[in-house]
Amino acid sequence: QVQLQESGPGLVKPSETLSLTCSVSGGSISRHYWNWIRQTPGKGLEWIGYIYTQGSSKYNPSLKSRVAISADTSKNHFSLKLLSVTAADTAIYFCAREPEMVASPYGAFDTWGHGTMVTVSS
Amino acid sequence: QSALTQPASVSGSPGQSITISCTGTSSDIGTWKFVSWYQQYPGKAPKLIIYEATKRPSGVSGRFSGSRSGGTASLTVSGLQPGDEADYYCCSYAGSAAFILFGGGTRLTVL
Repeated sequence: QVQLQESGPGLVKPSETLSLTCSVSGGSISRHYWNWIRQTPGKGLEWIGYIYTQGSSKYNPSLKSRVAISADTSKNHFSLKLLSVTAADTAIYFCAREPEMVASPYGAFDTWGHGTMVTVSS
Repeated sequence: QSALTQPASVSGSPGQSITISCTGTSSDIGTWKFVSWYQQYPGKAPKLIIYEATKRPSGVSGRFSGSRSGGTASLTVSGLQPGDEADYYCCSYAGSAAFILFGGGTRLTVL
């Protein structure tokens, strides 16, 4: 059974870069779509983007200028970088898998990490 | 403001059925059948309970069902149980421009 685990700093200063890693066990990241999703009390769930290690990535247009998602297949993990953070980026960050299906990716996230809280504050 | 609109809360008594609506536009639910629903308990990650508007993943109770008509998708929970009390989120594919949108979430209370 595939399991995902987020890791990274819980506190980031304004204007700095938020960096998180999602470690995947029980399966290879060489298949499927690997996503980052965040949740705030005010805005609910927000899809950030995905990486497909066979050769593509896609980001939420509202975050596209500040986001980068990368993957390291040798370590079986993928990472999120969010630049120039503000208090509005304070959220619980989840990594999630969308399995390869005929029409994917389209938002069917079948496996999630537990989530990690990131606070942006000086 | 969320791109998909859900009621903030719904409630029902044990054994009853409830329906949660998710209203989108012609750019998302109105065009694409790719609507998913998630159940989330406090402090936990969301769980996929419906995908492609009507399909249930293996292991999800048959008391959960989904539908889609025009620009609105719906989740019905039948035979309400206390354990169904949770937050429910809809999610839709929105084409190559916006890509993936979530609703604001609905708190289900079992009275």
